Amino acid sequence: QKEVEQDPGPLSVPEGAIVSLNCTYSNSAFQYFMWYRQYSRKGPELLMYTYSSGNKEDGRFTAQVDKSSKYISLFIRDSQPSDSATYLCAMNRDDKIIFGKGTRLHILP
Amino acid sequence: DTAVSQTPKYLVTQMGNDKSIKCEQNLGHDTMYWYKQDSKKFLKIMFSYNNKELIINETVPNRFSPKSPDKAHLNLHINSLELGDSAVYFCASSQGLAGETQYFGPGTRLLVL
Repeated sequence: QKEVEQDPGPLSVPEGAIVSLNCTYSNSAFQYFMWYRQYSRKGPELLMYTYSSGNKEDGRFTAQVDKSSKYISLFIRDSQPSDSATYLCAMNRDDKIIFGKGTRLHILP
Repeated sequence: DTAVSQTPKYLVTQMGNDKSIKCEQNLGHDTMYWYKQDSKKFLKIMFSYNNKELIINETVPNRFSPKSPDKAHLNLHINSLELGDSAVYFCASSQGLAGETQYFGPGTRLLVL
């Protein structure tokens, strides 16, 4: 079993819909949980960062961590075509970050 | 005033050649990283340096040799390039060790023919 599992998609949703992106992990040693967004032919950029179970909100984005289930989610409200990108979950252990494979998201106008 | 920059952006070369990729960050960060992103978009850490000291060296062939002349620069030299080395290589930096926000460069697209 890989340490971090993420459905690669692609996921296509209409503009304005709520998007739910998820990752599961197997190593309970992970302490910090992150979501990165990567546009085509660009480097990843950090969207959300959290270290505890629960929800964290930033504008249209909500990151959710459930350590008991080893499950993290990213919700995007009122999705826009500009949200079309690959979203990578990431979590750290032993001074390095382990990335999920990324989910390709398409927001259809 | 790009935060993390890499050169070159594109690199096309023949199998067996030796090539280098350069990375510079102007964020004043102590830690720099090299990642490899394969054709399936899987992003995997290769190396990290903290204040010019090697911290992480994943199971990367020793044809790959990172060099950090100072904490603002981390270069990657690749000897005897192979077809499987074709990928996008990203440099990143963070203030401390992992757990801190990492800032990525734009990537270097390497194609080995």
